[in-house]
This record gives sequence, C-alpha cells and structure tokens, in this order.
Amino acid sequence: EVQLVESGGGLVQPGRSLRLSCTASGFTFGDYAMSWFRQAPGKGLEWVGFIRSKSNGGTIEYAASVKGRFTISRDDSKSIAYLQMNSLKTEDTAVYYCIRSTSGWDSDVFDIWGQGTMVTVSS
Amino acid sequence: DIVMTQTPLSSPVTLGQPASISCRSSQSLVHSDRNTYLSWLQQRPGQPPRLLIYRISNRFSGVPDRFSGSGAGTDFTLKISRVEAEDVGVYYCMQATQFPHTFGQGTKLEIK
Repeated sequence: EVQLVESGGGLVQPGRSLRLSCTASGFTFGDYAMSWFRQAPGKGLEWVGFIRSKSNGGTIEYAASVKGRFTISRDDSKSIAYLQMNSLKTEDTAVYYCIRSTSGWDSDVFDIWGQGTMVTVSS
Repeated sequence: DIVMTQTPLSSPVTLGQPASISCRSSQSLVHSDRNTYLSWLQQRPGQPPRLLIYRISNRFSGVPDRFSGSGAGTDFTLKISRVEAEDVGVYYCMQATQFPHTFGQGTKLEIK
C-alpha cells in the first residue's frame, strides 16, 4: 500500500527543536518530490516547504515564516523525508502534513498525503 | 509573496444545487513556462486535504466530474454543479506559480 506516515510531533518549549519524519512505503521514494504543509488549530493551510527529487536537482524551497529555522531533507535509502524545526515559536503550533507530488519536479500536483502529526509549542 | 483571496468565506448550499467559489491572486499566476499553477484543494471535516483541480481546470484522478475549475490570469473559480452531502468541508485555492506557494483563506461549504 502506498502511504506516508508522519512521526516526531509532540509538545516542545519555545526555542527548542524538533525533527519530524515522513516515512514512505509502497513506492520508490527517491523518484518523487515531497512537500510539507501545516495547519494551526482551527485555521487554514500554510505551505511550509518543498524538496525535489535528487534526479531533479534536489531543490529545496521554504516559506518565509520558517526560512532559516526549518530544514527539509530526504534520505532516499530509508524512504524518509525530514523536517528539522529549530528555534520553535508558539506560532509554529500546528498539524504538519507531508505530501507526495506526482513527479520528481512538480510542486503543485499532490497525490498522497500523510495523516499529519501535531506539534505544540508551549511553555 | 502572492496573496490569494477567496470569496465567499462561507457558502450555505442546498443539496442538488450548484455552488461557486472565487479566488483572486494579487498578481498574475501565469508562469514563464506559460502554465498557470492554480490548484483547488478540499478538506473534509477531520481529514487531511486532497487535491481536486490543478492548473486551473484539470480534475485530479478520482475527482467527480461535478467539480470544475476555470479562470485565467488573476481570477479563478471552482464550481460544483450539484452539491452532494459528501462535498461538505473547506475548499482552498493555492498558487504554485511562485515560491513561496500560498493559499487562500478557505471557503467553508455547508448544507442549508
């Protein structure tokens, strides 16, 4: 079965770090671009960032709100995408989704979504 | 950043009747490659979002043909020809023409 499973969420104090993992199964992970979205409680969707497949240059892009604090990476040998979140702020509190694009290049056509993992930043 | 503005923010609709959601961008979404990267996503209550329409008018796999997208430049529309109970949820437009990608605020579709 083709699926994405996020993990690593939880409660963390402001200023601390957390690493989210998105574990893929059922497909050749390295062939696809991956995105991260988030959704604060009761709010709309926010695009967090994106990483292309290595064969398409492995380009990484970030939202301005997380640039310099968050890092997206991938380990194709393990079929895992990561979202390293540093210097966390209360406004980073959200459900974080990882999403597969239908190709290694495109950032707008998504076919597989994880169920999301909740990150709560609070003292 | 490109600002996406949706109207209305809430849309009560009678079952079987049509519904329409508008999305306007603060600048043209036509990319240098001539594609327009405007998508529509649906989020049913308690579920992750899913892609309905990409590049203005392309229905994604498995999306019923009662959903259609149209528009050009800065003005786009999602139409549901006959609303069904399973269509309840929040609908978002998203631009992927320029990084960072940005979303509209969301339109809540509910049944009257």
